[in-house]
Amino acid sequence: NAGVTQTPKFQVLKTGQSMTLQCAQDMNHNSMYWYRQDPGMGLRLIYYSASEGTTDKGEVPNGYNVSRLNKREFSLRLESAAPSQTSVYFCASSVSGRGYGYTFGSGTRLTVV
Amino acid sequence: KNEVEQSPQNLTAQEGEFITINCSYSVGISALHWLQQHPGGGIVSLFMLSSGKKKHGRLIATINIQEKHSSLHITASHPRDSAVYICAVRSERETSGSRLTFGEGTQLTVNP
Repeated sequence: NAGVTQTPKFQVLKTGQSMTLQCAQDMNHNSMYWYRQDPGMGLRLIYYSASEGTTDKGEVPNGYNVSRLNKREFSLRLESAAPSQTSVYFCASSVSGRGYGYTFGSGTRLTVV
Repeated sequence: KNEVEQSPQNLTAQEGEFITINCSYSVGISALHWLQQHPGGGIVSLFMLSSGKKKHGRLIATINIQEKHSSLHITASHPRDSAVYICAVRSERETSGSRLTFGEGTQLTVNP
């Protein structure tokens, strides 16, 4: 059982380049999330999808877009990367409701130069 | 002031010591999570609780809803417990999904 699979694990981008972070879960979870983690700060929510077919902004959505492709997959796109987007990105999923089964991917370390 | 505050930020202990990490929050919640992040970066859910106490092996988590406070205890600590421990809460106003608000984490180092 793979849980939450994130790709890639590492990425270096030049300012202005675009890329998509992929996330897939095999636990039949309804809800999926993208968080970023920066030094000295707690994880912050970028976007989330409470259920298939819906997406909503989180705390720090600027510069990002998401697609809930199907129940399994939730991708995060940076259209024009900026150095401020250098961070570690985590995808997560949970059963809807209180958050039973909250499971995180292994993270993507992104550096924008 | 952050909605979720953890203390201490850093904690160094000797193997075998009893460890307590504290989490205070300022909003009404429906659930609180304790997570563990190892040096490799992966995040693992340890507990989800909304009242009382939960125990798993040497780990114990408690929550006092009235006081808006939770504690994570580690008994007989071991160097392999060295990690960042993160507290996160789900707001009671959350209607769908489970967006979490995170504390900054507590870096625990257990020396042999």
